[in-house]
Amino acid sequence: DQQVKQNSPSLSVQEGRISILNCDYTNSMFDYFLWYKKYPAEGPTFLISISSIKDKNEDGRFTVFLNKSAKHLSLHIVPSQPGDSAVYFCAASADYGGSQGNLIFGKGTKLSVKP
Amino acid sequence: SAVISQKPSRDICQRGTSLTIQCQVDSQVTMMFWYRQQPGQSLTLIATANQGSEATYESGFVIDKFPISRPNLTFSTLTVSNMSPEDSSIYLCSVLGQGNTEAFFGQGTRLTVV
Repeated sequence: DQQVKQNSPSLSVQEGRISILNCDYTNSMFDYFLWYKKYPAEGPTFLISISSIKDKNEDGRFTVFLNKSAKHLSLHIVPSQPGDSAVYFCAASADYGGSQGNLIFGKGTKLSVKP
Repeated sequence: SAVISQKPSRDICQRGTSLTIQCQVDSQVTMMFWYRQQPGQSLTLIATANQGSEATYESGFVIDKFPISRPNLTFSTLTVSNMSPEDSSIYLCSVLGQGNTEAFFGQGTRLTVV
């Protein structure tokens, strides 16, 4: 049973518009959520994170929203740029940084930003 | 941030053979993590490697199949033993950043078993 779900395998957006990537989770023990971006032939790179005590975190063009009651988070990219085209992974953890450090990943959403 | 060098970046191997993947970090870290990403699947944690102790394996992964070494605080290896086509995946090593707030990944090893 997948604990972290990204139900959209792909998303296509026009340059300059907003990209919204969604992620749902089932484990109420998750207290930390992260988004990673992955280009082909490269490892995932950290993008942005949010703690469960917050409902929003913003970093430049990237904003992550967390709705704990719905067990849902989303990543907003605005404005979208062609260089944002990549696979985006949602990840979650319980007791992050503790003895586990285990991240549970979704399957990823491939974002294509068209010029 | 941590800089992680992982090699090989890719390999094609015959079934029944073994491949050892190396991971070098530019700083000393307590824990190193090995993940697998099978085609169309999410990244899945294989094991956590602590220096000076045996690795801790996640459910579904065993030491005989994925032996891990952690000789010092900057280096680890993962061996994929007695490979079968089902082992064809991307294997990634990872470490936690300062403050344990995010993980950093190597570039991955794309393994194809034929």
